[in-house]
Amino acid sequence: DAGVIQSPRHEVTEMGQEVTLRCKPISGHDYLFWYRQTMMRGLELLIYFNNNVPIDDSGMPEDRFSAKMPNASFSTLKIQPSEPRDSAVYFCASSRRISTGELFFGEGSRLTVL
Amino acid sequence: DAKTTQPTSMDCAEGRAANLPCNHSTISGNEYVYWYRQIHSQGPQYIIHGLKNNETNEMASLIITEDRKSSTLILPHATLRDTAVYYCIVRANQAGTALIFGKGTTLSVSS
Repeated sequence: DAGVIQSPRHEVTEMGQEVTLRCKPISGHDYLFWYRQTMMRGLELLIYFNNNVPIDDSGMPEDRFSAKMPNASFSTLKIQPSEPRDSAVYFCASSRRISTGELFFGEGSRLTVL
Repeated sequence: DAKTTQPTSMDCAEGRAANLPCNHSTISGNEYVYWYRQIHSQGPQYIIHGLKNNETNEMASLIITEDRKSSTLILPHATLRDTAVYYCIVRANQAGTALIFGKGTTLSVSS
C-alpha cells in the first residue's frame, strides 16, 4: 500500500485566499478523518466520513471550513477565506473499520497563512 | 474533557526499557486503551491497543491494571528512533466514536 497521500505538503498563502488540501486514503478503507495540529491546541479532529458520507463535523471551526469526499479515493478540505489563525498542520487519516481504532495517517499538509 | 492523564515528558537511555504511564480512572467498561506515537514532523502512528488483558506486538507491550484505571506502555529496548510524543487514548469500539488526542508524553531517548 502507498499509504495515505496528502497534497500539498507545504502551502504558504496570504490572508483571504482560498486553500484546498487534498487526501487520498488507503484503498479499501471506509473511514476518512481530517485532523488539525497546532502547538497551542494539539491534534484536533475536524471531521470524519464513512463511505463518503460526513458523520461528524462538530470539530469544523467555522463556516470558512468545508470538507468533501466525492468518491472513496479522494477528499478535500477547503478554507475560504483563509486567516493567519488557520496556520497549522492538517492531517488526513483513513481506517478500514472504526471499531479497530487503528488509523493510518498521512504525512500532513503544513499551511502557513500570512 | 480529558479522559487520560500522562506525564508531560520522560527521558530514557538508549537500550533501556521505556515505561510510559497513563491514568484513565474514569474509563468505562466498553472503552479500550489505545496508544499512538508521533515522531517529529510525521503523522501519528498506531502502536497498540487493549481492553483489559495485557497485549504485546512487535512494537511494544501494553500493561493494563486489573481495575483498568491505569496502564503502561513498555518499549522494551528503546532506541533513538523511539524519541516521539506518545498519546494514550481511551475510546469505545463502536461506530460514531473517533479518536480524540490529548497532549501526550514527549519521550526523549538519549545515547
